[in-house]
Amino acid sequence: RKEVEQDPGPFNVPEGATVAFNCTYSNSASQSFFWYRQDCRKEPKLLMSVYSSGNEDGRFTAQLNRASQYISLLIRDSKLSDSATYLCVVIHGRRALTFGSGTRLQVQP
Amino acid sequence: ETGVTQTPRHLVMGMTNKKSLKCEQHLGHNAMYWYKQSAKKPLELMFVYSLEERVENNSVPSRFSPECPNSSHLFLHLHTLQPEDSALYLCASSQEFGREQFFGPGTRLTVL
Repeated sequence: RKEVEQDPGPFNVPEGATVAFNCTYSNSASQSFFWYRQDCRKEPKLLMSVYSSGNEDGRFTAQLNRASQYISLLIRDSKLSDSATYLCVVIHGRRALTFGSGTRLQVQP
Repeated sequence: ETGVTQTPRHLVMGMTNKKSLKCEQHLGHNAMYWYKQSAKKPLELMFVYSLEERVENNSVPSRFSPECPNSSHLFLHLHTLQPEDSALYLCASSQEFGREQFFGPGTRLTVL
C-alpha cells in the first residue's frame, strides 16, 4: 500500500457544484496534514492545514479522520478558478513527509 | 511573490556538464527542501535541511549533491546527469520541519 494515495481524477464539475476529495495515508503515527493546489506548470501553493477538529476557510473545508486514516477537502460553490491539481501532504516522522500524486479538478462553465 | 526564489528558471545541460541550482528564502525560515517533480509522478522529496541537520532520501543518486551554507540559501549541485533526471526541481522552506511549506517557482531542467 502506498504511503499516501489520492484519486487522480479528473473530477469534472459544473460551476457552483460542491466537490470533495480524499487522501488516504498508511502510517497511523502521521502527525500533520496539509492541502496544496498546483496550477499547470506552476509551483504548489499552500491551500490549508488540516486540524484534528476540522477547519474551514471560506468555501474550503478540510477534515481529518484518524480512525479511517484519511483527510478530505470539500470545495463549495466551485469557481472556474478552482480548476487545478490538489495535493495532500502527510508528515509521518521526525523528518519524513510524503506528497500524494494529486487530484485534478476541472470546473466547467 | 518573492518569498522563495530559484535560479535559473530553465536549464539545459549535457550529461557531462556540472551545474548548480540556487534557492534563496526571505521568510526567516529554518528548514529548506529540494523536491523533484517528473511528469505524472508525485513530488519526490530529495533533501531536507533543518537546523543544520540534513536528511536525504536514500533513493537519490549521488550525482545530486546539496549544500546549505546558511538558513537562507540552498544549492543543488549537479554532475554527470542522465536524461531521466530531466524534471522540475522545486525548492521550499518552512518555519521548521513539518510546518507549512512555501515553494519557489522551480527550475525546469532538461538533460540532453
